Amino acid sequence: GAVVSQHPSWVICKSGTSVKIECRSLDFQATTMFWYRQFPKQSLMLMATSNEGSKATYEQGVEKDKFLINHASLTLSTLTVTSAHPEDSSFYICSAREDRVTNEKLFFGSGTQLSVL
Amino acid sequence: QKEVEQDPGPLSVPEGAIVSLNCTYSNSAFQYFMWYRQYSRKGPELLMYTYSSGNKEDGRFTAQVDKSSKYISLFIRDSQPSDSATYLCAMGKGGGNKLTFGTGTQLKVEL
Repeated sequence: GAVVSQHPSWVICKSGTSVKIECRSLDFQATTMFWYRQFPKQSLMLMATSNEGSKATYEQGVEKDKFLINHASLTLSTLTVTSAHPEDSSFYICSAREDRVTNEKLFFGSGTQLSVL
Repeated sequence: QKEVEQDPGPLSVPEGAIVSLNCTYSNSAFQYFMWYRQYSRKGPELLMYTYSSGNKEDGRFTAQVDKSSKYISLFIRDSQPSDSATYLCAMGKGGGNKLTFGTGTQLKVEL
């Protein structure tokens, strides 16, 4: 299957700082990428849909000024958690769908564990 | 009522057992069905993908879809300790739209 690379795998930061998470499709182009958040022993919660060359679409209740998404190319989307606070500590996962195929398969990155002190 | 229902478990089975994991859904617009396996603190890995009613087999895994009953299953034969993970069902309506995920079933295969 297609490979999605997510970096970093884990990050610890101080409260008030910003953290950037990168998501790359390594062997395919992805106009659309998705960002999820996952709490322990819970399912994936879709935060936003990232679209190359346009603004991201955020799910209800997700603060777009808090979670900045930039999809600058067909292989890279970034999520920046601005002014992070301890309640932002979570597991963040990106996913991508291959442009050139019509199936609905979604491939995930390995996730980023964010801990805000 | 959630669009997709999945028993969170945990489900504990002995090594070698046949495992049955299930999801039900309420929206008949779902046409694509997937099963993902997620190990702790890792991203989900696509296991099975189907888009029609019936069975699809891949090694020890069999995915079953019954659109008339709005019910999907994943069977794991000869389960191994390495199968211990959380299994998520996912469904899509097509058109490149977002998938809807179940809550995941935690499976533990014991020696």
